[in-house]
Amino acid sequence: SQQGEEDPQALSIQEGENATMNCSYKTSINNLQWYRQNSGRGLVHLILIRSNEREKHSGRLRVTLDTSKKSSSLLITASRAADTASYFCATAGGGGYNKLIFGAGTRLAVHP
Amino acid sequence: DAGVIQSPRHEVTEMGQEVTLRCKPISGHNSLFWYRQTMMRGLELLIYFNNNVPIDDSGMPEDRFSAKMPNASFSTLKIQPSEPRDSAVYFCASSLNIGTSNEKLFFGSGTQLSVL
Repeated sequence: SQQGEEDPQALSIQEGENATMNCSYKTSINNLQWYRQNSGRGLVHLILIRSNEREKHSGRLRVTLDTSKKSSSLLITASRAADTASYFCATAGGGGYNKLIFGAGTRLAVHP
Repeated sequence: DAGVIQSPRHEVTEMGQEVTLRCKPISGHNSLFWYRQTMMRGLELLIYFNNNVPIDDSGMPEDRFSAKMPNASFSTLKIQPSEPRDSAVYFCASSLNIGTSNEKLFFGSGTQLSVL
């Protein structure tokens, strides 16, 4: 069963605009991660935010985490056509082994 | 670093046939994961190993599915007999050590399985 649920399911924007994707989850977590998947390829790790962190930046990516609301957001600033891909959040739960459970993903299309 | 290597890249088979998917994790990684991706169900975790030992196979859909990791550099996922509903992309991923917090996964390119 999926832990994270992304919103929106699909997003279409113009180059230069910002893209915001949201993720909600159900149980306590150790960390939350965002991955990107280009069509026909495997997933690539983008950024990890720990449960005791609230915000993290990496280049044009900004991730926030609100554990009280069990939600996270991924912001891509100044989007490019090359950012077109599916984006997934994944949560690592508590316990001895931090298996990652993925959400359904957001399909982002950036138009030149 | 060659990354996670999966084979074959594509597999087309007929219902009832045995299918074996292969994975070579990144050298030095102690944890290995098998995921299945479909449009309907998204990415599902099937099974994962730590130090070659299966830790959790609760995601394996049926007894027709089995996975092994005979050594640190090789794992197989077998479906016997295969059915059309098994058609999906199967991903293998590895990480340094799932027992450690804050580990990220490295994914292979996947095997596109079509069961006719």
